[in-house]
Order: sequence, then C-alpha cells, then structure tokens
Amino acid sequence: ETGVTQTPRHLVMGMTNKKSLKCEQHLGHNAMYWYKQSAKKPLELMFVYSLEERVENNSVPSRFSPECPNSSHLFLHLHTLQPEDSALYLCASSHAGQMNTEAFFGQGTRLTVV
Amino acid sequence: EDQVTQSPEALRLQEGESSSLNCSYTVSGLRGLFWYRQDPGKGPEFLFTLYSAGEEKEKERLKATLTKKESFLHITAPKPEDSATYLCAVQAVYNFNKFYFGSGTKLNVKP
Repeated sequence: ETGVTQTPRHLVMGMTNKKSLKCEQHLGHNAMYWYKQSAKKPLELMFVYSLEERVENNSVPSRFSPECPNSSHLFLHLHTLQPEDSALYLCASSHAGQMNTEAFFGQGTRLTVV
Repeated sequence: EDQVTQSPEALRLQEGESSSLNCSYTVSGLRGLFWYRQDPGKGPEFLFTLYSAGEEKEKERLKATLTKKESFLHITAPKPEDSATYLCAVQAVYNFNKFYFGSGTKLNVKP
C-alpha cells in the first residue's frame, strides 16, 4: 500500500464520546501533519510532528490530543468535542529539510459531532 | 504575517474555455509554492511545486507559473473532469514545518 491512509473515513460521535483518528504514511517521510478543513475556510494547521517530535501546536483546544509513536503513524485522540468541531480532518506527510518538500494528503476523516 | 489569497472564489467555464486562477502570497522568504486539486469529500491531490520566480510547470491541460508576488494556474481547453477546488499553499524558508493555504478556487466546467 502506498501514500497516506486515514481511518476511519467517516465518524459520528456524541459530545461525551472518546474516539481516535489514525493516519499511516508509506512514503518514507519524516514529518506528519494534522489539518482541519471547515466549509469555506482555508486549511487550518493543527499539529506538526517532525522526526517524531511535536514542533507545531497552533493553539488547538485540549480536547484534541495528538500522538506520533513513529515516523509512519499519527493519531488524533478526541474527547468531549463540540458540534463546531465537525469538519474534515486531514493528515499529511512530507520530507522536512529536503528539496522536494511538498506535502501529500490522505483522504480525510469526515467527523460529525452530535 | 505570511498570507495566501486566491481568486476568484468560484469560476464557471464552458468546456474548452481557457482561463486562469490566481494565488497572491506574502511570505518572508519563499521556499516553495504548491498547487493542489481537491475533489469533494477527498484529500488534496498534489499537482505542482514552484520554487523561484519565472519557473513554470505543466501537466496535461494545466500550467503553473510563478512571480515574486503571485502564481497563476492556467487551464487550457478545460474538460468537465477538471471541475474541482484548486488550492494554493506556500512554505517559508525559515519554517519547513508550515504550509500556508489559501481558501481555494472552486472550478466548475460545464459540457
């Protein structure tokens, strides 16, 4: 399997639930990202891991908790979310520090909070 | 502050009617400018990277160009399957870890 894979593709959760989003990349990259995409808004960068170390955390609420156990896997743990957290959550990876630095995205997880 | 602005917000074309999408950027030292295509409900698909003013890249009916302040995505004789949202992003020299995205241009090509 190649590219960036996200699971699940769709998730409906109540405000009191706890769930996790998973991302796996097979591109040999050393940086991974979580983005949030809401309707008619630019992609919002949430977290960046480079060489398994968190290097960016853009004032994201603590109800979102990232985890990067190795350079190929990235998780986003969710708990006590709000309806306004409903969005498309995108994972991406890139090779930080190299000339070809474009990011490659997964297909996203469509999250609905009810 | 680093910023990316895309225009127009939406564009409707007839099949075969060529046009251009604009991406204006402000960044303290450009490392790279990226174009992506996004279909509804899917993740962005990488199209091009441009690194310096004057550079051009082509892929089928798409051609991307770069100046010191903006980039254009030219679409020649578009087909309905080119309908998608096109996203532009920039990366700064001082921060490899951030991609600043514009809001995108939603392109609709009618047969």
